[in-house]
Parts: sequence; C-alpha cells; structure tokens
Amino acid sequence: DARVTQTPRHKVTEMGQEVTMRCQPILGHNTVFWYRQTMMQGLELLAYFRNRAPLDDSGMPKDRFSAEMPDATLATLKIQPSEPRDSAVYFCASGLGEGGRKTQYFGPGTRLLVL
Amino acid sequence: AQTVTQSQPEMSVQEAETVTLSCTYDTSESDYYLFWYKQPPSRQMILVIRQEAYKQQNATENRFSVNFQKAAKSFSLKISDSQLGDAAMYFCAYLQGGSEKLVFGKGTKLTVNP
Repeated sequence: DARVTQTPRHKVTEMGQEVTMRCQPILGHNTVFWYRQTMMQGLELLAYFRNRAPLDDSGMPKDRFSAEMPDATLATLKIQPSEPRDSAVYFCASGLGEGGRKTQYFGPGTRLLVL
Repeated sequence: AQTVTQSQPEMSVQEAETVTLSCTYDTSESDYYLFWYKQPPSRQMILVIRQEAYKQQNATENRFSVNFQKAAKSFSLKISDSQLGDAAMYFCAYLQGGSEKLVFGKGTKLTVNP
C-alpha cells in the first residue's frame, strides 16, 4: 500500500528553536509538495520540487523557512528560528507531475505547535 | 487568480441518506482539473474523486459522484448511502492544466447522524 509518510507526526517546541520535518514520497513519484494548513488561511502551497529540483517556493517565508530534497526518497522542511505564528499542520504530498494525471497524494501531516 | 468557493461551512445528513456538497470555482481557463479531498479528524487528506475539465462524463467512485457543470463552473459532490465514516471536512480543489498549484476551498464540515 504505497503512501506518503511524514515524521514527526506531532512536534511541540519553543520559540526560536529549529524545527525539521521530513517526508518520504511515494516510490516513483517525481514531484513533491509542501503545504501548510491553518484555521485562518486554510491550505496553502509553500513549495514544490520536480525531480529533486525546486520549482516554486514563492509561498514560503524565505527568511526562516527552507526546503530541500537530499535524495529522491526524502524531502525536508526546516524552520529556523521558529515562531508561534508557524503553528500549523504541515502536509507533504507527492505525485507524478505532468505524466500523473495531476493527482497529488497527501501524507498524514506534521502538527507543529510553537510556544 | 483562480478561486474556489464552498458556500456551506457545515452540512449534516442521516446515516444511509444522500447529501450533496457544493463547490463553485472561478477561472478563465479551459484546461483544468477538479478534486474533492476528505479530511477526517485524523487530519489525513484523502483523495475522494477527480474530474478532468475536458471530460463531459461525471466522475464516480463507488458511493461518491460529482455533478460537473462546466458552463456554470460548478462541481458538487454527492455522497449516497452516507456512512458514519464519511463524517469529515471535505475540500474542493482546482488545478490549472499548466500548473502544479492546487487551490483549495475553505471546506465543508459534514456530520453524519446515526
């Protein structure tokens, strides 16, 4: 049963600390997305990668957020330093891009609380 | 910019009955895709159904079907024989053909009463 996995599932941290979230896309998927969900803003696209290369990170606060794909099986989203307003659920999703009927499959999310 | 509107913040249905969730979208494009995602209390985003704009036939997946009205820019989701496990937030989403950016509506919270 192929699925996107994310770790950790829950994270509580203090303001100013670094937070790293990890995602393993579905094997064979070449496109990886990071979304953030909050009550106020709903679901927002932060960044996405195709074949490990960043294609769009315009939704991401550049000063504190960074996203990378060290290899095809791992995507990371880092926040440094974290702030209370970063509290949200962060989703990773993967898909096959142009060849994949445009469907994105979501992971279970990382629920982040910054105190 | 494309927008997706779900006008019903909350809906409820009796178990075994049918319910329809509304979604409208705004676009000037002809090539696009539409999706319904389900988000139960676990927060997992689960794909329910997808529709390509160029297809006239409405998509169906078991008890889930859509009513795609392209001219009216409407994409409603019908859930037949509702089950307790259908209780969740339902999000309508739009994807332009040349883009990878999903645009989500605000969601409709569905309650299923036993």
